[in-house]
Amino acid sequence: DTAVSQTPKYLVTQMGNDKSIKCEQNLGHDTMYWYKQDSKKFLKIMFSYNNKELIINETVPNRFSPKSPDKAHLNLHINSLELGDSAVYFCASSPPGAMAPLHFGNGTRLTVT
Amino acid sequence: AQSVTQLDSQVPVFEEAPVELRCNYSSSVSVYLFWYVQYPNQGLQLLLKYLSGSTLVESINGFEAEFNKSQTSFHLRKPSVHISDTAEYFCAVRLEGRRALTFGSGTRLQVQP
Repeated sequence: DTAVSQTPKYLVTQMGNDKSIKCEQNLGHDTMYWYKQDSKKFLKIMFSYNNKELIINETVPNRFSPKSPDKAHLNLHINSLELGDSAVYFCASSPPGAMAPLHFGNGTRLTVT
Repeated sequence: AQSVTQLDSQVPVFEEAPVELRCNYSSSVSVYLFWYVQYPNQGLQLLLKYLSGSTLVESINGFEAEFNKSQTSFHLRKPSVHISDTAEYFCAVRLEGRRALTFGSGTRLQVQP
């Protein structure tokens, strides 16, 4: 199936650990994103890559580092996890053009204990 | 700067009743407007979008939204809701030339039998 897929779906870890979330899209889109959804459902853009190049880097702690090995993949690595990092992280992709909608993955629920 | 305001965090409604979910945006330049729906434990799905042309846009499942430039609004409506419409609804805007979407805080539509 054509889609944006994220792994893992759930991630429970302890403070101070390092973890990664993977994202892949087979829609042929040029642009990929990471959004964070907090406990109040608020969605905030974190990063965006276009053809493996970083184009959006919002105010996010340096502990978060995106990596795009190719335009179909955008992974998110988080160092030294903190309680406040607990959230649902959504990957998305879009074709070129400001009118193009975003296609979202099903999210990764990260719980830091 | 652009922002999106969804005035109602929760909207309870009885099945087959009409509903309106409100969205206002603030931007001094042209914007593209979107409504997304998020069902429990899922990612966001595009419901409908306004890019240009007719100010009334419709989705395949009976929702419609009207772009009102003078009131900077893009309210979502449905004349008769179903239990299956219970979900979180997000309004989003994208500035011309920008890639990322800015989301509102979401409105939880709770349809009761």
